[in-house]
Amino acid sequence: EDQVTQSPEALRLQEGESSSLNCSYTVSGLRGLFWYRQDPGKGPEFLFTLYSAGEEKEKERLKATLTKKESFLHITAPKPEDSATYLCAVQAGTGNTGKLIFGQGTTLQVKP
Amino acid sequence: DAGVTQSPTHLIKTRGQQVTLRCSPKSGHDTVSWYQQALGQGPQFIFQYYEEEERQRGNFPDRFSGHQFPNYSSELNVNALLLGDSALYLCASSSVDRNEQFFGPGTRLTVL
Repeated sequence: EDQVTQSPEALRLQEGESSSLNCSYTVSGLRGLFWYRQDPGKGPEFLFTLYSAGEEKEKERLKATLTKKESFLHITAPKPEDSATYLCAVQAGTGNTGKLIFGQGTTLQVKP
Repeated sequence: DAGVTQSPTHLIKTRGQQVTLRCSPKSGHDTVSWYQQALGQGPQFIFQYYEEEERQRGNFPDRFSGHQFPNYSSELNVNALLLGDSALYLCASSSVDRNEQFFGPGTRLTVL
């Protein structure tokens, strides 16, 4: 069964304290791995798509990397406005259907 | 460029009632997916519509049904509401030739 597990569930950082969020996955035929940011009561905001092991994507203080079994979201020198829940999702199988399988998310709090 | 829009924002219903949620996709997108997100959990895939047909379905009962219109907008219908149907319902749109899904702000459904 396709599965996505994120760790830790919650993370508290001081402003400027860099860290990484982990997303482990078990899927048959990975077509893509996606990172989203979600603020309380709002819809997820798309951040990155990764397709193959070794691929990296960057956006401001965020960098996402992918291996054959997991992905990391690295946050460099975070600011309080980076506080949110970060969701990881995978798309698997053949064809062009689009079901996303999500992890439970990591809630990040950055204190000034 | 308007993003994904959903209506209503909030909805309160009682057990046994029926509800209809609406979604307009991002300009240029032709595929709509619906997700249910319980508090503190990642979104769960309900179904996906393309060319006015349900293309893929998650593990949700037949009480959950949908429709896609010629202008690509979509509706999610839930019959015989249960307390456990209380959640944030998210609509995501995409293009059939791209994997990325973009989410709307969601509809918060409360069943009393």
